[in-house]
Amino acid sequence: AQSVTQLGSHVSVSEGALVLLRCNYSSSVPPYLFWYVQYPNQGLQLLLKYTTGATLVKGINGFEAEFKKSETSFHLTKPSAHMSDAAEYFCAVSDRRAAGNKLTFGGGTRVLVKP
Amino acid sequence: EPEVTQTPSHQVTQMGQEVILRCVPISNHLYFYWYRQILGQKVEFLVSFYNNEISEKSEIFDDQFSVERPDGSNFTLKIRSTKLEDSAMYFCASRVGLAEGYEQYFGPGTRLTVT
Repeated sequence: AQSVTQLGSHVSVSEGALVLLRCNYSSSVPPYLFWYVQYPNQGLQLLLKYTTGATLVKGINGFEAEFKKSETSFHLTKPSAHMSDAAEYFCAVSDRRAAGNKLTFGGGTRVLVKP
Repeated sequence: EPEVTQTPSHQVTQMGQEVILRCVPISNHLYFYWYRQILGQKVEFLVSFYNNEISEKSEIFDDQFSVERPDGSNFTLKIRSTKLEDSAMYFCASRVGLAEGYEQYFGPGTRLTVT
């Protein structure tokens, strides 16, 4: 069974500072990897995904993530935080062998951006 | 831009009552999903649906739950006899096709409160 661990349920950053959200997964084969963002009272919006190819993937709103197979990680970064980045971020994986591709989510990290 | 819609946004029901949560997936999508998020907990997979049948379901999705695509556009989740522990945010999602790795698009959710 797959599992996802997000280190830190809450992260506080200053505006303009680096945002780093950690995600580690457990899976017998490297899964598909996703980061979703949830703004207050809204659904989950895809930030970026890794399926194959280049391990550094760029997403919307200046976010990027790097797949590191040896570390079973897919950490999310943004060089300079903006107030609008305040939200909850979810790392998720799906089994590339399964046609249904259900998502298994981490616990989420709530980001607070201080002015 | 096409989006997944869900109705109602908030449903309050009494324990033991039946509820139907409705979703309209993106029109050319073929895979459909329900997830739920109990307050303070992870987003959990409930069920996936493809070609008018369930393709996978979780342990949570017991005989009290059912899904249906009654008219080719709506995708519904029915809970036959609600329990207090069914109180959660329920998310519908859809995916475009059979090719592996396509992301799931989420609706804004229905908050179900069982009293």
